[in-house]
Amino acid sequence: EVQLVESGGGLVKPGGSLRLSCAASGFTFSNEWMSWVRQAPGKGLEWVGRIRIKTDGGTTDYAAPVKDRFAISRDDSKNTLYLHMTSLKTEDTAVYYCTTDRVALIRGVITNIPDYWGQGTLVTVSS
Amino acid sequence: QSVLTQPPSASGTPGQRVTISCSGSSSNIGTNYVYWYQQLLGTAPKLLMYRNNQRPSGVPDRFSGSRSGTSASLAISGLRSEDEADYYCAAWDDSLSGPVFGGGTKLTV
Repeated sequence: EVQLVESGGGLVKPGGSLRLSCAASGFTFSNEWMSWVRQAPGKGLEWVGRIRIKTDGGTTDYAAPVKDRFAISRDDSKNTLYLHMTSLKTEDTAVYYCTTDRVALIRGVITNIPDYWGQGTLVTVSS
Repeated sequence: QSVLTQPPSASGTPGQRVTISCSGSSSNIGTNYVYWYQQLLGTAPKLLMYRNNQRPSGVPDRFSGSRSGTSASLAISGLRSEDEADYYCAAWDDSLSGPVFGGGTKLTV
C-alpha cells in the first residue's frame, strides 16, 4: 500500500524558511516522479513543483509563484522527498501535500499529474 | 483564481444522478487528459478518474467521466451520502508546463 507521510510544517514569520519532509513507503520511491501540491485554507489545489527520477535527470520544475524561493530534493536512499521553502510570504500559508505522479508521454511532451497523496502538513506564515 | 472553472457547489438526493462540470481551454482540457479527485472532509484528495474516463481500482462504476472540446464532466449515479465531498478536476497545461486544477465543487447529498 502506498503511504506518504509529510512532516515539518508549523508557524513561521514572513521572510523565514522551512523544510518539509515526506516519507514514502509501499512502492519503489526511486522509480517515481514526485510533486508537491498545496491548498490554502478554504481554497482549491495548486501545484507547487515536481522532481524527476534520477534516470530522467533528477531535475526539478516549479510553479511561477514559488520559483526561485522553493526547492525540491529527494534522497532515494531514505525514501524521502523534501521541500525547502525560503523567503516565505503570508500567501504561502497552506496545507502542503506530497504526491506520486502519473507520468505520460503526450505528443512528445512528458506530462505529470498527481496520483497518490499524503495527509498533508500545515504551513502558516504569519508575524 | 483557478485555471480550470468548476461550479462551487452541487447537490442531489440519495439515488439521484448529478454531474459536475469543468471548463478549460485549448492548452489544457482541449488537448490533454482530464483527471478528477475526491476530497472527503478533512482528508487528502484521492484520484477518482484518470485519462478522462478511466477509474482506478476500487472506484465504483457509479462514477464516470467524459470530455468534449475544452470541457469535461464527472457524473455520479445512484448518489450516496458517502459521496458528499469536494471534487476537483485537473489537467496538464501546455502553456504552463504543469498540472492545473479547478477550484473545486462541494457536493452535498
